[in-house]
Amino acid sequence: EAGVVQSPRYKIIEKKQPVAFWCNPISGHNTLYWYLQNLGQGPELLIRYENEEAVDDSQLPKDRFSAERLKGVDSTLKIQPAELGDSAVYLCASSRWRDTEAFFGQGTRLTVV
Amino acid sequence: GIQVEQSPPDLILQEGANSTLRCNFSDSVNNLQWFHQNPWGQLINLFYIPSGTKQNGRLSATTVATERYSLLYISSSQTTDSGVYFCAVVAANQGGKLIFGQGTELSVKP
Repeated sequence: EAGVVQSPRYKIIEKKQPVAFWCNPISGHNTLYWYLQNLGQGPELLIRYENEEAVDDSQLPKDRFSAERLKGVDSTLKIQPAELGDSAVYLCASSRWRDTEAFFGQGTRLTVV
Repeated sequence: GIQVEQSPPDLILQEGANSTLRCNFSDSVNNLQWFHQNPWGQLINLFYIPSGTKQNGRLSATTVATERYSLLYISSSQTTDSGVYFCAVVAANQGGKLIFGQGTELSVKP
């Protein structure tokens, strides 16, 4: 069974430019998470989906961040415009249902210059 | 919200030594997971253990839910065990939100 797939693995952009990250969860997993991990810290939740519905987006900076999960499968996280402080690793995870075991992708390392 | 505290923050071991990592949490949980983040940043699942004891090779974990802590044991450590170990929980009153501790950074020297 394939794991959670994220792309790209690395991205370098100039500030004020847009950027998008893509995530394909494990087949059959209904819950999808996007996390942000700053250097030396634990991951922090940005948004959680149950199927197509964003059920927890309280930590998502909605002025510049947006996310979607079409048809309850793949998901895209977008930042527009990017700021220097957005440099971090963006992790996607999925689980079969909420509260069940979550599995993480390899992450996208974003550098904003 | 629920607080997750891991100790120690850093640990240096000689290859072959044993270690115990601790995770304390401030409220009842529906889910508790241990992860190993390798030097390339990948979070690898070690245990899904909201309660009880599990073992997988040289690693084992115990969660005492009533006392709100979990322990990860690493025996006969190897250099490949180096990295950051995270505990993550879902509070019983916040279904689905996986909250991470700050991690324990383990360095195993040859």
